[in-house]
Amino acid sequence: SSELTQDPAVSVALGQTVKITCQGDSLRSYYANWYQQKPGQAPVLVLYGKINRPSGIPDRFSGSSSGNTASLTITGAQAEDEADYYCNSRDSSGKHYVFGTGTKVTVL
Amino acid sequence: EVQLVESGGGLVQPGRSLRLSCAASGFTFDDYAMHWVRQAPGKGLEWVSSINWNSYTIAYADSVKGRFTISRDNAKNSLYLQMNSLRPEDKALYYCAKDIGPNLVPTALALDYWGQGTLVTVSS
Repeated sequence: SSELTQDPAVSVALGQTVKITCQGDSLRSYYANWYQQKPGQAPVLVLYGKINRPSGIPDRFSGSSSGNTASLTITGAQAEDEADYYCNSRDSSGKHYVFGTGTKVTVL
Repeated sequence: EVQLVESGGGLVQPGRSLRLSCAASGFTFDDYAMHWVRQAPGKGLEWVSSINWNSYTIAYADSVKGRFTISRDNAKNSLYLQMNSLRPEDKALYYCAKDIGPNLVPTALALDYWGQGTLVTVSS
């Protein structure tokens, strides 16, 4: 089982803001990166190194962290943001990479 | 254009072996670490294994350690995953993914390009 816990599902109205959280003890020591995965597609890196967005990722995606929780915020959610989102970091031992349990985001 | 194309998946009996390959193009392969990530049907992502640019640093998930071997051939721009003693729980779509840097970082995976995956089914 994953050591990074995410809410299974969240919904957001079109144009509104949604925060996706990732909880785990390891996040007190390591930051999280974030991936978006749409049905039938490979994951896409949307945020890394706390604040960096790969080329082509809109600036409505941002990250933050506090204590044992990392967050991905989508400000002004669009229909195309509907997807599964996964955080990634280290496990509590620090020896292995681990993905979060995933959050399905629905844009209403 | 960066391309990662996995191959080698298929149906295999429990206890048997498979070798996955990932052909890379569109970037300087030996400048980057590479990774395997899998996803069981309808489930989340699971990190499997990583290898740095010169094969000096390798890491495995506990679930595959001792059974799977990652390797790369920089001359052939290829990444491999030798999977032995396969179990039904290894059934998944296996993705090859490129790192943004050459080494395995002590923080989180930053994988900027992914292949479309190759499906491994383990069943008798």
